[in-house]
Order: sequence, then C-alpha cells, then structure tokens
Amino acid sequence: KAGVTQTPRYLIKTRGQQVTLSCSPISGHRSVSWYQQTPGQGLQFLFEYFSETQRNKGNFPGRFSGRQFSNSRSEMNVSTLELGDSALYLCASSLAGQSNSPLHFGNGTRLTVT
Amino acid sequence: GEDVEQSLFLSVREGDSSVINCTYTDSSSTYLYWYKQEPGAGLQLLTYIFSNMDMKQDQRLTVLLNKKDKHLSLRIADTQTGDSAIYFCAGGYSTLTFGKGTMLLVSP
Repeated sequence: KAGVTQTPRYLIKTRGQQVTLSCSPISGHRSVSWYQQTPGQGLQFLFEYFSETQRNKGNFPGRFSGRQFSNSRSEMNVSTLELGDSALYLCASSLAGQSNSPLHFGNGTRLTVT
Repeated sequence: GEDVEQSLFLSVREGDSSVINCTYTDSSSTYLYWYKQEPGAGLQLLTYIFSNMDMKQDQRLTVLLNKKDKHLSLRIADTQTGDSAIYFCAGGYSTLTFGKGTMLLVSP
C-alpha cells in the first residue's frame, strides 16, 4: 500500500507570497492532519480534516488554511508568507482520526521563505 | 492541553540497550506513541501502546507505561548504528501533542 505522499518536497517563496501544499493520504484513510516542524518550536498541530470537515484546529493565525476533498486528498494554504513560516510541513493520515488510530506521516514539504 | 517532555540527547554504544523516557500530562490519551525521524524524512511510526496496558513488546522494542506517574519509556535492545535518529513520543485525546524529541546517537 502506498504511503502518504506530499508534494512538492521543497519550495522557496518570497515574503508576502502565498503557497499551497498538497497531501495524498494512504488509501482508505479518511483523516488528514497537518503539522509544522521547526527547530525552535518542534512539532505543532495545524489542523485535522475528516471526511471533508475540519475537525480540530491548532493555534495558528488565519493565514493558515486547509481543505479536504471527497477523495480524502488535502491541501494546505499559507497566505502573506512571513520569514517565520519557514519550516517543514508534515501531513499525516489516519484511518479514523487522531483520537482512535495512529498517524502515518509523509516525508514533508520543506518551505523556505526569503 | 497536553504537555509532553523528553530528554534531548542520548548516546550509547552499538550493542547496548537504549532507554528513552517521556512524561506527559494528559491522562485521557487513548494511545501513546513512539515515532522515529531520520534526517530529511518524515516521522515513522515505531510502536504504540493502548492506555490500559503496562507493557508492549515488538521485536527489539519494549514500551513501558506507568500511568500513575504519567511516564512512558522506549527500550531498544541491541542498539545498532542504524537506530541513530530523533525519537518522539506523542499523546493526547482529540489531537496529538509531540515531545521535542530525543536525539539518539549510536557509536560503533
């Protein structure tokens, strides 16, 4: 079974631009979660989607948004990029949501904002 | 919310056992997890334990859970150089909270 696929692997953007990251979950998984990983803050939860509905949201500004499609694929958007948004963005899928089943992570998208 | 604490660094020799410790605050976690991250990669699920269990063994990995002290540990038997990585514990009910990670360095 194919794992979680994130595209692109690397992105370089300029302050003020916006970016869209994509995630394809493991086949059959209905939940997709997004995390931001930085050396200083570690792994921080952004949001979780289940069957196209946002189930939980972390403590991030409204510039960070996401959505999930009917095939469970998910996208994450960051608008008006700031230097501090440089990070590894990790997507994870699970069968029934974070409360009930393990998260399986992709290899991440490394975003650099200059 | 959940708070998860780990020691930052552990150094062992090849063939020794490694023990990575973690403490957490939220006792409502259904499961507690251990993940491994190698350079340039995402997090790999190593093992997990249901909150009503005390111990789980999976080949070279042993997870111990002390619910009273809210303490979780991961023991790796016969540690190899390929085990060098960052190890994260995670817990929580509605959303998972991760520790900052323990860097395990295995020397030959």
